[in-house]
Amino acid sequence: QVQLQESGPGLVKPSETLSLTCSVSGGSIRVRNFYWGWIRQHPGKGLEWIGYFLYSGRTYYNPNLESRITISGDTSKNQFSLKLSSVTAADTAIYYCTRVARMFVAGAVIPVFESWGQGALVSVSS
Amino acid sequence: DVQMTQSPSSVSASIGDRVTINCRASQDISTYLAWYQQKPGNAPKLLIYDATRVQSGVASRFAGNGSGTDFTLTISSLQPEDFAMYYCQEANSFPFTFGPGSKVDVK
Repeated sequence: QVQLQESGPGLVKPSETLSLTCSVSGGSIRVRNFYWGWIRQHPGKGLEWIGYFLYSGRTYYNPNLESRITISGDTSKNQFSLKLSSVTAADTAIYYCTRVARMFVAGAVIPVFESWGQGALVSVSS
Repeated sequence: DVQMTQSPSSVSASIGDRVTINCRASQDISTYLAWYQQKPGNAPKLLIYDATRVQSGVASRFAGNGSGTDFTLTISSLQPEDFAMYYCQEANSFPFTFGPGSKVDVK
């Protein structure tokens, strides 16, 4: 069974870049049938998809955040990372890394967010 | 972006009750809808995908229904471990918007 674990600084200063890493065990990120990505949850609030990537390097980002996001993978370490630039207090959230299955349904490919890490709280404050 | 709404925002129920949560999309999303359960301090857990397909390992008392814009999640007989928040999510188009959540608590 795949397990995902987020790591990174819990505190980032405004205008700086938030960097998180997700370590994957029990499965390889070099698998065609899965995306690997990030979702965040603002404290006490709802969930927001950030983006994901395929091992081939193709990336898919939330259009509302796209200008500030970079998601990439390191197959040698079986890890992937999130970088979010120019952060503000509005980026304070719990960040979850996810494995997303590519399900083929009636001729379409739909994402299924099937596995989640435990989450990492990142606060943006000076 | 597709907008997602859920009702009720909160429901109080007893063990053994049948509980239904509604989710509505602002446009037709076919059957591309998922449901998640989240307990305090934990990550969301996938329950249902493609509107009606139950994720492996999820109890058979959870069922999803609907297509187009209107969807439901039904818990046929509420168990103690089911008190939690429930979120729907559209999987039709970026940015895969989540609903605001529905809380199931003890009556």
